[in-house]
Amino acid sequence: QQPVQSPQAVILREGEDAVINCSSSKALYSVHWYRQKHGEAPVFLMILLKGGEQKGHDKISASFNEKKQQSSLYLTASQLSYSGTYFCGTEMRGGATNKLIFGTGTLLAVQP
Amino acid sequence: DGGITQSPKYLFRKEGQNVTLSCEQNLNHDAMYWYRQDPGQGLRLIYYSQIVNDFQKGDIAEGYSVSREKKESFPLTVTSAQKNPTAFYLCASSIDILYNEQFFGPGTRLTVL
Repeated sequence: QQPVQSPQAVILREGEDAVINCSSSKALYSVHWYRQKHGEAPVFLMILLKGGEQKGHDKISASFNEKKQQSSLYLTASQLSYSGTYFCGTEMRGGATNKLIFGTGTLLAVQP
Repeated sequence: DGGITQSPKYLFRKEGQNVTLSCEQNLNHDAMYWYRQDPGQGLRLIYYSQIVNDFQKGDIAEGYSVSREKKESFPLTVTSAQKNPTAFYLCASSIDILYNEQFFGPGTRLTVL
């Protein structure tokens, strides 16, 4: 049931773009995205609640393809501050839907 | 300032001892959660609580116990039955259980010697 994230790790230069994918084997109610810097608590980025929904702030945005049971996080013109591990959390349809199941994370390193 | 506090930040225990991790929030949130984080495995849900005096098992509840006697507090006890307790433990809360941002505490790193 754990969503699969890809890639597992990515290294970027400042200013480059990246896409992180989150795929589920089951239909989803919603997708959450969090970022965790080393040794710190995860910090909320955004929630997508509807199929086809897209959200974003600053240069980080995300989409939710309900039919494909997946979400993608887009980081545009990356900055050093974007470095960290990105997690998607999914709420699935059917069964106990009142909890998040997190993916294993994608490590993003932005270099000068 | 509103937020979630966890104490202590680092904890060392001998094998076979029970240990209780503290989690307190002053955000007036109904829902609270405990996660375990191991390298390469992301966040795994141990227990969660939707309301005072009620809690449910998560995906890896064996060897753990919780209580929710007050809205602000959700302590986690790691018992001697937990086979591999050394990990980073994160507490979180949200307004309610569905479709809401979770706020995380700073975490407690437990090492069992």
